[in-house]
Amino acid sequence: AQKVTQAQTEISVVEKEDVTLDCVYETRDTTYYLFWYKQPPSGELVFLIRRNSFDEQNEISGRYSWNFQKSTSSFNFTITASQVVDSAVYFCALSEAATGANSKLTFGKGITLSVRP
Amino acid sequence: DTEVTQTPKHLVMGMTNKKSLKCEQHMGHRAMYWYKQKAKKPPELMFVYSYEKLSINESVPSRFSPECPNSSLLNLHLHALQPEDSALYLCASSRFPDRGSTVAKNIQYFGAGTRLSVL
Repeated sequence: AQKVTQAQTEISVVEKEDVTLDCVYETRDTTYYLFWYKQPPSGELVFLIRRNSFDEQNEISGRYSWNFQKSTSSFNFTITASQVVDSAVYFCALSEAATGANSKLTFGKGITLSVRP
Repeated sequence: DTEVTQTPKHLVMGMTNKKSLKCEQHMGHRAMYWYKQKAKKPPELMFVYSYEKLSINESVPSRFSPECPNSSLLNLHLHALQPEDSALYLCASSRFPDRGSTVAKNIQYFGAGTRLSVL
């Protein structure tokens, strides 16, 4: 069965610091997809990135970057020069192709990031 | 436009009330989802609709009754809820996969949720 572990529960940084959010996953499927979502206090889960199991290229989008390493089953997320608006709960999630006709996301427990001015 | 709209934003109901949550999307998505999220926990899947048909029910109590009247609208009817049902209820939608592709890759887009309090 698939599993997503976000070992960090709460992280507090000062504005402009870099911060890395860790995500480790378990799956027996060879085809799977990994996602990061951000949930600000307003409640909406905002999609950030999707990565498939065949694409290990790292990705950078502005201040955000993602490091996907199949060898360690990790998909870590780094925010560079953090800002107060980055304060939110961040979820890593996994979706397996083996689930067939329905898309089920397995979420990690989430990491609460607080960025202090 | 990746917008999923949920109404109401907040709802307070008694244990004998009947109420409904509404979710709407106009992205042409044919898969829609209901999740329940308790404080400081990840979302938990409740129901999945594919092409307006219920495809997954995660053993949800019958006091929650989903309905998908058309491809843009998803309702969750609530009746005789318990205080422990108080939570944030999130709706999501995603594309249905192209032929030969897998639905697992589809991005789920979420609404802002309905914060439900059961007294």
